[in-house]
Amino acid sequence: NAGVTQTPKFRILKIGQSMTLQCAQDMNHNYMYWYRQDPGMGLKLIYYSVGAGITDKGEVPNGYNVSRSTTEDFPLRLELAAPSQTSVYFCASNLDGANTGELFFGEGSRLTVL
Amino acid sequence: QKEVEQNSGPLSVPEGAIASLNCTYSDRGSQSFFWYRQYSGKSPELIMSIYSNGDKEDGRFTAQLNKASQYVSLLIRDSQPSDSATYLCAVPSSGTYKYIFGTGTRLKVLA
Repeated sequence: NAGVTQTPKFRILKIGQSMTLQCAQDMNHNYMYWYRQDPGMGLKLIYYSVGAGITDKGEVPNGYNVSRSTTEDFPLRLELAAPSQTSVYFCASNLDGANTGELFFGEGSRLTVL
Repeated sequence: QKEVEQNSGPLSVPEGAIASLNCTYSDRGSQSFFWYRQYSGKSPELIMSIYSNGDKEDGRFTAQLNKASQYVSLLIRDSQPSDSATYLCAVPSSGTYKYIFGTGTRLKVLA
């Protein structure tokens, strides 16, 4: 059972480039989340999804886009990368949404924008 | 803006002592509260959840909740060097599906 899988684990981008961070879960969870974590800081919610075809903005959505075409996959798209997007990105999933328990995290994707 | 606040630390305690980590939250409607541990370079992992006022114990860990004061704490008894990590408090935002995280408290257990 793989849980939550994120790819790539590391990536260096140049300013203005675009890329997609992939996230997949095999636990049949309805709820999926993208967080970013800057050094020495907590997790800031970028986007989340409550099921296939349904997404919504979190605290820091600017510069990002998401889609959720299947229950398993929740990719995060960075358009026109900026140095401010240098961070560690975590994808997480949960069976029944907030208030009901554990968030399962992927191993993270470390992105550097130069 | 609903907030979750933690002292960033570092909190240093000697091995075998009790470590006390605190978290306050602004959303009075929140009903559940979670503590995650994050080792350096790793992803967060759940260590405790609490839903009712009072104490909840699990091994060396005790979570304490006071909804009237909007305060949740985590006690770690008999602290070990392996407990050295950042501890994140997470509070689901009422009426939404979003978990709001504090900035985390870095704990250092000194051997």
